[in-house]
Amino acid sequence: TQLLEQSPQFLSIQEGENLTVYCNSSSVFSSLQWYRQEPGEGPVLLVTVVTGGEVKKLKRLTFQFGDARKDSSLHITAAQPGDTGLYLCAGAGRGSTLGRLYFGRGTQLTVWP
Amino acid sequence: DVKVTQSSRYLVKRTGEKVFLECVQDMDHENMFWYRQDPGLGLRLIYFSYDVKMKEKGDIPEGYSVSREKKERFSLILESASTNQTSMYLCASRPPPNYGYTFGSGTRLTVV
Repeated sequence: TQLLEQSPQFLSIQEGENLTVYCNSSSVFSSLQWYRQEPGEGPVLLVTVVTGGEVKKLKRLTFQFGDARKDSSLHITAAQPGDTGLYLCAGAGRGSTLGRLYFGRGTQLTVWP
Repeated sequence: DVKVTQSSRYLVKRTGEKVFLECVQDMDHENMFWYRQDPGLGLRLIYFSYDVKMKEKGDIPEGYSVSREKKERFSLILESASTNQTSMYLCASRPPPNYGYTFGSGTRLTVV
């Protein structure tokens, strides 16, 4: 069962463009995280959002957690080649899930100079 | 910074071999996880552990086992390696809920 659906699966854009990646679910999560993974490496945590409606900014990246805590988005302003990578969202289940996260399948972003 | 260290970056093993993948974390985290990552399938949870000697099956435990004898070390064992276990294996650890995972750099395992 794929609890988190990410879209788009692939994104190829020119440097300077803006983009948004979506992460949707029918389940409610206690928190949601975004990771970026570069080839041959493990994913690296970018942000955790906890409160419904929360917006967090990390330089040119803006993360939003939906009011109902079922979805999230990542917006990148003026993308740069260094933003290239696989972006993963992950949700923490409510109740006793022993700390596990549920991952989306990822969005592969390529930013061309 | 938390470090999660996986013992090998690349491994090549033969079909039928018993394979050990080791993972060590240095921040006293209770929770540790093993995932495999395959193109188009994303990260799939194999096993996880929330305490020493405790383990829970993830979504795809068949063909794997784990060992956690010390808090800092979580080992993944392929009892009899098969070609369909060729994959990128990622270990992660996590402090209490609402904090993120710290992943290791991964082990790319090829079974021939």
